[in-house]
Amino acid sequence: DTGVSQDPRHKITKRGQNVTFRCDPISEHNRLYWYRQTLGQGPEFLTYFQNEAQLEKSRLLSDRFSAERPKGSFSTLEIQRTEQGDSAMYLCASSPNAGKGNSPLHFGNGTRLTVT
Amino acid sequence: GNSVTQMEGPVTLSEEAFLTINCTYTATGYPSLFWYVQYPGEGLQLLLKATKADDKGSNKGFEATYRKETTSFHLEKGSVQVSDSAVYFCALSGNTGKLIFGQGTTLQVKP
Repeated sequence: DTGVSQDPRHKITKRGQNVTFRCDPISEHNRLYWYRQTLGQGPEFLTYFQNEAQLEKSRLLSDRFSAERPKGSFSTLEIQRTEQGDSAMYLCASSPNAGKGNSPLHFGNGTRLTVT
Repeated sequence: GNSVTQMEGPVTLSEEAFLTINCTYTATGYPSLFWYVQYPGEGLQLLLKATKADDKGSNKGFEATYRKETTSFHLEKGSVQVSDSAVYFCALSGNTGKLIFGQGTTLQVKP
């Protein structure tokens, strides 16, 4: 169990640029979640996958955001035309059991995005 | 919709003091409840969980009891240490496994 891995750890970009983050979940975990966390707040749900299927998207996820999990393993989160309000920590988490709400999520260390 | 409310911080205690961090929730159905902890510079870690009413979750001296009648899941520890200084998050999940978090409570323990 190597844990959930996120890359990069930090990203600084200029407003209007596109950025992409990667998440590698714990192997054999079939659920993968993306969250966003701003300073002093709890993580906010963005979207989640069961295997390669994206099952839910938050209203927070504007059309500039897109997430994929093409082979049911790693996932990418892309933000197009970044805005300063996108500056946050982006967290990825995975869990082993489909459909069981009592399985805890395992979180990565996050990607910190700064939009200048 | 589902939501979680935590007591506002920061909470500052002396070493060996008793800790309570209040958490209440609003949910349809029967959610599972969790406490996560975020130490400085580290990622979120599961501290404890409870999956049904009257269950008590415990870990590292921390405890929380799932109280359906008061929709609460307060975190307690009898004697805190400096190493417990962190941000604590209460969370709930429904059938999809998606977690809904409170805003977090910062705990600072002084020697």
